[in-house]
Amino acid sequence: EVQLVESGGGLVQPGGSLRLSCAASGFAVSNSWMHWVRQAPGKGLVWVSRINRDGRRTDHADSVRGRFTISRDNAKNTLYLQMNSLRAEDSALYYCVREFVGAEDFWGQGTLVTVSS
Amino acid sequence: QSVLTQPPSASGTPGQSVTITCSGSSSNIGRDSVNWYQQVPGTAPRLLIYTTDRRPSGVPDRFSGSKSGISASLDIGGLQSEDEADYYCTAWDASLQGYVFGTGTTVTVL
Repeated sequence: EVQLVESGGGLVQPGGSLRLSCAASGFAVSNSWMHWVRQAPGKGLVWVSRINRDGRRTDHADSVRGRFTISRDNAKNTLYLQMNSLRAEDSALYYCVREFVGAEDFWGQGTLVTVSS
Repeated sequence: QSVLTQPPSASGTPGQSVTITCSGSSSNIGRDSVNWYQQVPGTAPRLLIYTTDRRPSGVPDRFSGSKSGISASLDIGGLQSEDEADYYCTAWDASLQGYVFGTGTTVTVL
């Protein structure tokens, strides 16, 4: 059974850092395009980042480029999102997604990030 | 920042059909496929349509997608109470080099 469990969210001050984790089971992250998508409370969906199957290509949304980095650890079968220089507008529920917009599309339940002083 | 435009709401009675539109540009819908998600409040999104008109396993065939030029549509036929949810379109944007989402449409079953 495919599962994605996000963790690492919490309260952080503006300018601070957080690293989100997404532990996968039932499949290998190294065989999938993996993405992060976020949703601020009461707002719409926003795509954040992706990493390709061989890990050599990453893409990030304009709003986070240069501040966020997506990566993965194949041995731990885990996806990460390193978030630096956090802003209030980064506050959201962050979802880990396998094969976003593909036939094998699968979402975790999300981890909540709150950026506030 | 939503690059794709959707109507904020749509509604219908059980059994009716509802169409949700998604308007983009030549850098996204005009050159790439469109995908649609359904989100019941408090839950993770569920993929309904990918590559413009394909349904993942388990999605009823009363959900269908299409595209023409820089616009796309999601049709929900035979509306049911469980279809009450928010619906989002999304597509790759070649100029932004990232996926963009629509503004979202809330469907109400009257």
